[in-house]
Amino acid sequence: ETGVTQTPRHLVMGMTNKKSLKCEQHLGHNAMYWYKQSAKKPLELMFVYNFKEQTENNSVPSRFSPECPNSSHLFLHLHTLQPEDSALYLCASSRSEGTNEKLFFGSGTQLSVL
Amino acid sequence: AQSVAQPEDQVNVAEGNPLTVKCTYSVSGNPYLFWYVQYPNRGLQFLLKYITGDNLVKGSYGFEAEFNKSQTSFHLKKPSALVSDSALYFCAVSANDYKLSFGAGTTVTVRA
Repeated sequence: ETGVTQTPRHLVMGMTNKKSLKCEQHLGHNAMYWYKQSAKKPLELMFVYNFKEQTENNSVPSRFSPECPNSSHLFLHLHTLQPEDSALYLCASSRSEGTNEKLFFGSGTQLSVL
Repeated sequence: AQSVAQPEDQVNVAEGNPLTVKCTYSVSGNPYLFWYVQYPNRGLQFLLKYITGDNLVKGSYGFEAEFNKSQTSFHLKKPSALVSDSALYFCAVSANDYKLSFGAGTTVTVRA
């Protein structure tokens, strides 16, 4: 176990649904991240939070809405998604948002948009 | 802008043979280089990193990587591969703007 837990593991949703992904870290870290992983493509950084404040929004469409109520929890709210949003969504954390900090990843949520 | 290239989508080796996974990078300034591994149905796990100092970095599970500044490369190596090393390997780089850029990954298959 990496200390980062993501739920649900799998999610199937229609284009008109609203759902949320949850991430929780038990490592005492201060920075949390959302990444999108699609086959044969580099991981895409979506959002970064440092001490609960959003420090990065990597031009992500507004149908993805992050929330970080505290340093241990991170959510990704989804609404009116498109089929091309189907991917593995990974949450990660690190001690701080530093250049040389290693990331600890959760196992991801495999999202399918029908 | 910074980027990472992993020129091989797939690497196949026999168990007991040396394993090399290639990575080249492009950054402005001094790079911080990382390797991560992803086993099936799992998130990425940290293997090793280069920050400064010795060009040869040793990491988890017997892996090592060599930083070559002139060739802008950071290839991952293991002298004797195991079937359990079969996984997806990602190279990543960061620099002054502290954001990690990942490569597209290389699938390693080690056959018994």
